[in-house]
Amino acid sequence: KAGVTQTPRYLIKTRGQQVTLSCSPISGHRSVSWYQQTPGQGLQFLFEYFSETQRNKGNFPGRFSGRQFSNSRSEMNVSTLELGDSALYLCASSFLGGGNTDTQYFGPGTRLTVL
Amino acid sequence: SQQGEEDPQALSIQEGENATMNCSYKTSINNLQWYRQNSGRGLVHLILIRSNEREKHSGRLRVTLDTSKKSSSLLITASRAADTASYFCATIPQGGAQKLVFGQGTRLTINP
Repeated sequence: KAGVTQTPRYLIKTRGQQVTLSCSPISGHRSVSWYQQTPGQGLQFLFEYFSETQRNKGNFPGRFSGRQFSNSRSEMNVSTLELGDSALYLCASSFLGGGNTDTQYFGPGTRLTVL
Repeated sequence: SQQGEEDPQALSIQEGENATMNCSYKTSINNLQWYRQNSGRGLVHLILIRSNEREKHSGRLRVTLDTSKKSSSLLITASRAADTASYFCATIPQGGAQKLVFGQGTRLTINP
């Protein structure tokens, strides 16, 4: 099976712009979660989508949003970019999500740099 | 917020030696998972241990879980240069959503 894929792998934007990142989960997986990784805050949960619905959300401002399509592919959007949004954004997929023993498989990440 | 504290933050050993990393967490959990990350890349899932399990093995990896102490350890035996990476423990808090709560990680360096 192909793994989780994320596009683009690298992105450079300027403050105030917006950005859209894409994630394709492993075939058959219905849950997609997004995480932000920075040197200062580490790995933090952004949100989770399951069957096109946002099921869980982390403590991020409303500038961070996402969606999931009927084929389980997901996108996340960050509007009005700030310097502090520079980070590695990781997407993870799992079969059912919401469960207690469901392994999450991560993609390679999108490295976003905000200038 | 971070659920876990990992210890040590950095570890440097010789190839062939064993490496032990520890993780402590704050709340009751359903399971605990260990991930490896090579230099700013994606996370690779290593092993999952459920809250009702005490020990689990996978190849050269051995994970223990002590729910009474809210701690876990990851042992890598016969280390190799390719094991050089950051290792993270991640928990799903009991009753919580399907969201992993990560520790800060241990940076492991294997010297040839």
